[in-house]
Amino acid sequence: AQKVTQAQTEISVVEKEDVTLDCVYETRDTTYYLFWYKQPPSGELVFLIRRNSFDEQNEISGRYSWNFQKSTSSFNFTITASQVVDSAVYFCALSEAKEVGGAQKLVFGQGTRLTINP
Amino acid sequence: NAGVTQTPKFRILKIGQSMTLQCTQDMNHNYMYWYRQDPGMGLKLIYYSVGAGITDKGEVPNGYNVSRSTTEDFPLRLELAAPSQTSVYFCASSYIGRYGYTFGSGTRLTVV
Repeated sequence: AQKVTQAQTEISVVEKEDVTLDCVYETRDTTYYLFWYKQPPSGELVFLIRRNSFDEQNEISGRYSWNFQKSTSSFNFTITASQVVDSAVYFCALSEAKEVGGAQKLVFGQGTRLTINP
Repeated sequence: NAGVTQTPKFRILKIGQSMTLQCTQDMNHNYMYWYRQDPGMGLKLIYYSVGAGITDKGEVPNGYNVSRSTTEDFPLRLELAAPSQTSVYFCASSYIGRYGYTFGSGTRLTVV
């Protein structure tokens, strides 16, 4: 069975600090997708990134970066120079890819609540 | 582009009542999904659909029903509401099944 674990329930840092959110996953599939979503206080879910299991290159998007390591089944998310607007709950999710064009059923971690203090 | 629209945004139900949560998307997406988010938890899949007329159960389907008569609409039916169904419900859609979802803004349901 697939499982996603976000061991950090809450993180609180001061603005401009760097912060890393951990994500560890379990799957028996060789082909799968990993995601990060942001849920700000307003409650909507915002897609941040999708990574497939064959692509272990790290990705950087502005102040955000992601580190994917298959050897440790981890897909960690780092925010550099954090800002108050980064305060949100962040979810890591996993999707199997058993068939071409198949439905993308997501398994979510329990989320990490990130608070950036001014 | 409206994306995924959910109605209502908030609802309070009494135990044993029934209701339908509406979900509509205007992106011609094949796939649609219903998730629930309990307090302090991640989302769990209730039902999903790969196209009109085709639905299947997710991880937590008990107490719910769905239908998909059109590509655009994917309503979620709660029969005999129970306090355990107090949650935030998210509808989502995706195209081809390989890309990030588009989520609706959610429906906050309280059963008392």
